[in-house]
Amino acid sequence: GEDVEQSLFLSVREGDSSVINCTYTDSSSTYLYWYKQEPGAGLQLLTYIFSNMDMKQDQRLTVLLNKKDKHLSLRIADTQTGDSAIYFCAEGWDTGNQFYFGTGTSLTVIP
Amino acid sequence: NAGVTQTPKFRVLKTGQSMTLLCAQDMNHEYMYWYRQDPGMGLRLIHYSVGEGTTAKGEVPDGYNVSRLKKQNFLLGLESAAPSQTSVYFCASTGELNTEAFFGQGTRLTVV
Repeated sequence: GEDVEQSLFLSVREGDSSVINCTYTDSSSTYLYWYKQEPGAGLQLLTYIFSNMDMKQDQRLTVLLNKKDKHLSLRIADTQTGDSAIYFCAEGWDTGNQFYFGTGTSLTVIP
Repeated sequence: NAGVTQTPKFRVLKTGQSMTLLCAQDMNHEYMYWYRQDPGMGLRLIHYSVGEGTTAKGEVPDGYNVSRLKKQNFLLGLESAAPSQTSVYFCASTGELNTEAFFGQGTRLTVV
């Protein structure tokens, strides 16, 4: 499969910004996604970006895409304790067959 | 709207036993997927289906079989469970636009 890499852990203080990074290898993907997984639950889509975009902002979330370096990041502004979760980046294609997920980054927000 | 429902939520099997995990979606989605989640390895695709009556192998298909006899259901079978299959299993489905995958709540399987 494709390689989608993330660092495993991130800790931030409440109120600070969090930046979660992801690198991928296949530049043919149509979409790049960020999913959130809370303890004991399935994954829920946070946001996605088309591969021909550089940035997308959605309230506290900012997604940056550097296609040249195949690097995707998720910035969470004013991080709250409720943001503590595992965050997965993923690649997808508009042919609707497979997604490739990263290893997940466990975000811990310290009060 | 229930979305994606997985049964059972928890199961403990002895080595060599068989079982079937059921995934049901009520969104009329064409595409369905089975993933396993292991610590530090993210989600790995086991099998997937692009429509009723069709299945295909994913990244880690060995030891698993699947069936998609009805559009809304995707079954994952373990014929002879092994401790290496201890994992959390997630089912997901997507519509044609593929802009969002909807996940079930997961099945935590332990093989002893």
